[in-house]
Amino acid sequence: AQSVAQPEDQVNVAEGNPLTVKCTYSVSGNPYLFWYVQYPNRGLQFLLKYITGDNLVKGSYGFEAEFNKSQTSFHLKKPSALVSDSALYFCAVRDSRGYSTLTFGKGTMLLVSP
Amino acid sequence: GAGVSQSPSNKVTEKGKDVELRCDPISGHTALYWYRQSLGQGLEFLIYFQGNSAPDKSGLPSDRFSAERTGGSVSTLTIQRTQQEDSAVYLCASSLGGTGYEQYFGPGTRLTVT
Repeated sequence: AQSVAQPEDQVNVAEGNPLTVKCTYSVSGNPYLFWYVQYPNRGLQFLLKYITGDNLVKGSYGFEAEFNKSQTSFHLKKPSALVSDSALYFCAVRDSRGYSTLTFGKGTMLLVSP
Repeated sequence: GAGVSQSPSNKVTEKGKDVELRCDPISGHTALYWYRQSLGQGLEFLIYFQGNSAPDKSGLPSDRFSAERTGGSVSTLTIQRTQQEDSAVYLCASSLGGTGYEQYFGPGTRLTVT
């Protein structure tokens, strides 16, 4: 079975500082990994994905994530946080082999203070 | 272009009544997903349609839940004899299909069962 862990319910960071939102995963085969963001009362928006290739993936709004196979992690990062980045962030994984649905983590609330 | 749309945006119903939730996916997307989002619970997969294949119903929590997708486009999620524990936000997503494609989410339907 595949699973995703987001160990932090909430991350607090000051505007202008770098941010990291952690994600670890478990799949049988090679992973396809995704990050989504949800603003209040909105649906989820796709940020970035890792399928294959470069371990460092760049996405929307200046976010990036690094795939680390040995640590089974896919942490989301941004060099300089904005207040407008405050939202709920979800990591998701699916197995690249055969058929599987997308499994989401429970989400991490990011709060960026002015 | 037009994104995924869902209707109604809010639905309040009495316990025991049936409800229908509608999803209009992005044109050309062959895959369609339904999820349920409860407070603090992350996203729970419900059902997945891919083209003309039989749907994956493995996430439906009980036989009170059913869904159909007509003409490979619009989908309806039906909950019969609603219970208070069915109260949640129901999210629909579509994708171009295949395991490596990101999903695009609608704004959701907030269902409240009184």
